[in-house]
Amino acid sequence: ETGVTQTPRHLVMGMTNKKSLKCEQHLGHNAMYWYKQSAKKPLELMFVYNFKEQTENNSVPSRFSPECPNSSHLFLHLHTLQPEDSALYLCASSQRQTYEQYFGPGTRLTVT
Amino acid sequence: AQSVTQLGSHVSVSEGALVLLRCNYSSSVPPYLFWYVQYPNQGLQLLLKYTSAATLVKGINGFEAEFKKSETSFHLTKPSAHMSDAAEYFCAVSDSGGNQFYFGTGTSLTVIP
Repeated sequence: ETGVTQTPRHLVMGMTNKKSLKCEQHLGHNAMYWYKQSAKKPLELMFVYNFKEQTENNSVPSRFSPECPNSSHLFLHLHTLQPEDSALYLCASSQRQTYEQYFGPGTRLTVT
Repeated sequence: AQSVTQLGSHVSVSEGALVLLRCNYSSSVPPYLFWYVQYPNQGLQLLLKYTSAATLVKGINGFEAEFKKSETSFHLTKPSAHMSDAAEYFCAVSDSGGNQFYFGTGTSLTVIP
C-alpha cells in the first residue's frame, strides 16, 4: 500500500450503532487530520494530531471520538450518530513543516 | 478565523481554452495558500501551494496560481484545458502554524469537447 488508505470505503449505520473508521498513512508523516466533506459546504477540519498528540478539536460533537495510537494510524470512533452526520469523511497526513496534506479516498458514511 | 471564497461553483470551458478559477481569502497575517483537485470517488490531491516565496506558483498538470496580496486573491489558471481537467477544485488557506486549514466550497470544472 502507498499513500493514505482508509477503510471502509462505504459505511451504513443506524443511529444506535457504534462503528470505527480507520486511516493509515505510509508516507512517514508526523501529522494526521480528519475532515468532514458535506455537499455544498466547505471541508470541515475536525481533528488534528501532531506526533500522536491531539492539537486541535474544532468543536466536534462528542459522538465523534478520535484515536491516534501511533503516527501512522488514525481512527474515528462513531456512536449514536445523527442523520446529518452523513458525509464523506476524509483522512489526511502531512509532514508538519511542509503544510502539504495528502488525502485518502474517504469513507462515505450514511446514517439511517 | 480565516475564510476562503471561491467565486463560481460551476465553470465550463471548451477544450483548449483558458481555465480561470477564482479564490479570495481573508487573512490578517501572511497566509499559506493551496489549490487541491478532487476527482470522483477520490480524495483531494495537492496541485500547488504558496508559502511566501515566489508570488507566481507553478503546480502539476500545467496549472499555476498567482498570489496577489493587494487583492487577497490566489486565482488558479491553466492556458489550455484538457478533458482530463474536469474535476472539483478547492482553494484552501492555512495559518502559519499549520494547525488550521480552511477550505472554500469548491468549483466544479467542466471541459466541453
